[in-house]
Amino acid sequence: DAGVTQSPTHLIKTRGQHVTLRCSPISGHKSVSWYQQVLGQGPQFIFQYYEKEERGRGNFPDRFSARQFPNYSSELNVNALLLGDSALYLCASSVDMSDTQYFGPGTRLTVL
Amino acid sequence: GIQVEQSPPDLILQEGANSTLRCNFSDSVNNLQWFHQNPWGQLINLFYIPSGTKQNGRLSATTVATERYSLLYISSSQTTDSGVYFCAVEAYSTLTFGKGTMLLVSP
Repeated sequence: DAGVTQSPTHLIKTRGQHVTLRCSPISGHKSVSWYQQVLGQGPQFIFQYYEKEERGRGNFPDRFSARQFPNYSSELNVNALLLGDSALYLCASSVDMSDTQYFGPGTRLTVL
Repeated sequence: GIQVEQSPPDLILQEGANSTLRCNFSDSVNNLQWFHQNPWGQLINLFYIPSGTKQNGRLSATTVATERYSLLYISSSQTTDSGVYFCAVEAYSTLTFGKGTMLLVSP
């Protein structure tokens, strides 16, 4: 079975631009979560979606938004990019909200 | 929010040595997971262990939920064990990670 997939792998943007990151969960998983990991730190929780509804939100500004589609894939959108948004963005899927989370390979975003 | 502290922050071992990594958390949690992050950034799930003890090959983990800590044991370490080990706890629909333990196993 395929694991969690994310696209793109790498992305370079300039300040003020908008970015969309995509995630496809493991087949049969209904929950998708997004995390931001800056160098030298642990991943920070951004959002959790379950059955297409937002079920949890971390301490991130409104420039960050997400959605989950009927096939359980998900998008993370970030508007008005700042230099500090440069990070590895990780997506994780799980069968249920409190189940084991399986992570994708991540999207490495660089904001210049 | 919940606080997660991992120790030690860094660890250097010779191949074949054993080690214990610790994770303390500040409040009751629904579950706890241990992950290994390889040099390419991929997080690999090691254990889902809200309580009790589990073993998988050379790795084992114990969580004492009532005392709010978990331990990850690595026996007979190999160079491929190098990387960052994270503990993450789930409470209030949020998975909170510690800062990790960076492990380097030298041949």
